[in-house]
Amino acid sequence: AQSVTQLGSHVSVSEGALVLLRCNYSSSVPPYLFWYVQYPNQGLQLLLKYTSAATLVKGINGFEAEFKKSETSFHLTKPSAHMSDAAEYFCAVNRAGGTSYGKLTFGQGTILTVHP
Amino acid sequence: DTAVSQTPKYLVTQMGNDKSIKCEQNLGHDTMYWYKQDSKKFLKIMFSYNNKELIINETVPNRFSPKSPDKAHLNLHINSLELGDSAVYFCASSPFVTSTDTQYFGPGTRLTVL
Repeated sequence: AQSVTQLGSHVSVSEGALVLLRCNYSSSVPPYLFWYVQYPNQGLQLLLKYTSAATLVKGINGFEAEFKKSETSFHLTKPSAHMSDAAEYFCAVNRAGGTSYGKLTFGQGTILTVHP
Repeated sequence: DTAVSQTPKYLVTQMGNDKSIKCEQNLGHDTMYWYKQDSKKFLKIMFSYNNKELIINETVPNRFSPKSPDKAHLNLHINSLELGDSAVYFCASSPFVTSTDTQYFGPGTRLTVL
């Protein structure tokens, strides 16, 4: 079984401040991990993914995430928040190998608010 | 060109009715999915098709019946709609069924059952 927990349903930062969105996973086998972003009234868009290559993954719009096996974490960061980053962010896990058939398990989402 | 499109965008209907949602992808992908996002924004997979073959069925009620006429289309028919079916339904596609594949999501269909 696999699961994802996102700590904090709401995160608020000032423009220009560091963005840190937390994600912890549980998986009985090596995981593949994803961050998706959802802007209001839109579908989800991939920000970045970890697929067992480099543990530090860079994505679009200046976001990056680091896979830490010892901490079972895959936190999302961005050095300097922009107003356009305001959205809801979802962490997701898929299992490596086996017959997962692309079955993503999502966290409950974190709403990011950026203040001027 | 929209990569993954869904129709309709909004659907308001009465309990007990039957409705369908259509999804099309022009990415040439082999695999398509239906997800349900509830009022708390929790996103859960319902079905997945690979090359028109059902490969994931997440114990969804029988009232929900997906159909894939070809690789580019995946429709969702819902019989005897219930209040609890109110949600946003997302279609997605990916190149294959491998665990590393990026899934591309449509804009969603907001279903409201009165």
